[in-house]
Amino acid sequence: GAGVSQSPSNKVTEKGKDVELRCDPISGHTALYWYRQSLGQGLEFLIYFQGNSAPDKSGLPSDRFSAERTGGSVSTLTIQRTQQEDSAVYLCASSRPSGGYGYTFGSGTRLTVV
Amino acid sequence: GQQLNQSPQSMFIQEGEDVSMNCTSSSIFNTWLWYKQDPGEGPVLLIALYKAGELTSNGRLTAQFGITRKDSFLNISASIPSDVGIYFCAGHWNSGNTPLVFGKGTRLSVIA
Repeated sequence: GAGVSQSPSNKVTEKGKDVELRCDPISGHTALYWYRQSLGQGLEFLIYFQGNSAPDKSGLPSDRFSAERTGGSVSTLTIQRTQQEDSAVYLCASSRPSGGYGYTFGSGTRLTVV
Repeated sequence: GQQLNQSPQSMFIQEGEDVSMNCTSSSIFNTWLWYKQDPGEGPVLLIALYKAGELTSNGRLTAQFGITRKDSFLNISASIPSDVGIYFCAGHWNSGNTPLVFGKGTRLSVIA
């Protein structure tokens, strides 16, 4: 597509439920990133996919967080047994395979855990 | 992990004034980028800097990659109301195959 598409744009869930957030990157972008933005904070790196390489999961805050990328395109970030501190905006970005320069971000999914 | 220290955290300025914000790191960064985030949107790339000492302009925006490779600044001249938003510095401390590290942002408010 023309841009990075994320869905849903907003998600309210009860504490303890699982949620899935979806990211559809720009066609041809082999690198895909997930970041988390808490209120008033910067962007916290979560996970990075590059082509067929093993993902860099070094930013995932706990084992309740996981992500997969199917067919080198769409990615799903899953949060199990959500906690209130998981409330944040989850941003997805993609970039060309030439390196990490100039990421294009989606508009994010605002997750609220009540 | 690597961290970027961005300042100021917030700014309130009059329309027409110039703005300056900066980012520092204790480690050498190979690339510096500046992004702007509007409410409800993802960050959008404004300027990318790839070489130490590089000075780049994009309209009313000017950014520089510090000689020490540990800092960068962004200037906005003659601010207008649509400059309102959060500005983030970001950088690669390693090769381009490592994810960008972001500062905590500078929230800019412009008073007409």
